[in-house]
Amino acid sequence: GAVVSQHPSWVICKSGTSVKIECRSLDFQATTMFWYRQFPKQSLMLMATSNEGSKATYEQGVEKDKFLINHASLTLSTLTVTSAHPEDSSFYICSARERTGVMNTEAFFGQGTRLTVV
Amino acid sequence: AQKITQTQPGMFVQEKEAVTLDCTYDTSDPSYGLFWYKQPSSGEMIFLIYQGSYDQQNATEGRYSLNFQKARKSANLVISASQLGDSAMYFCAMREHLYNFNKFYFGSGTKLNVKP
Repeated sequence: GAVVSQHPSWVICKSGTSVKIECRSLDFQATTMFWYRQFPKQSLMLMATSNEGSKATYEQGVEKDKFLINHASLTLSTLTVTSAHPEDSSFYICSARERTGVMNTEAFFGQGTRLTVV
Repeated sequence: AQKITQTQPGMFVQEKEAVTLDCTYDTSDPSYGLFWYKQPSSGEMIFLIYQGSYDQQNATEGRYSLNFQKARKSANLVISASQLGDSAMYFCAMREHLYNFNKFYFGSGTKLNVKP
């Protein structure tokens, strides 16, 4: 099946610094990538939908200036958490859909990134 | 209203027995897809099975089957012959095909524990 690679798997950063998380589709072209946030023992919360070559669409309540998303190519999307604070500590996971995306194609997920802000 | 509802926060099953994880959904879209994902403690989301709203037969994938009851708007996952490696969180998800085609709606998840 299709592979989505997310990097890094985990990161610890100091409060006030920025962290970049990469999401790559390894063997397919992904016109659309999604970024989710997951708190412990909770479900995935969609943060934004990223389309290649255009601005990301953010869900209500998600600060676009804090969570910068770039989707510069058909295989790479990045999420940058700017001026991170301890409350941004969470599990972030991306998913991607193939370019030809028919109805029954599942979203392929990356391995997730566990961010801890100290 | 919740798009996806999973009413079982946690479930226990004896190894080698079958278990059913419940999922109900809410949509007015006539065309939609239902998905089940497994999330082990490592965090990755593993796709298990898909059911389309117009599919006549229940989907099956190895030990996984989806009990699709359209009139009741339920899409329960059945895992047969449970294995210790099945212990994980399980999420039911839906994608509406006419409205918000790109967006997946996830349920709150069910944590399955398989006992030896």
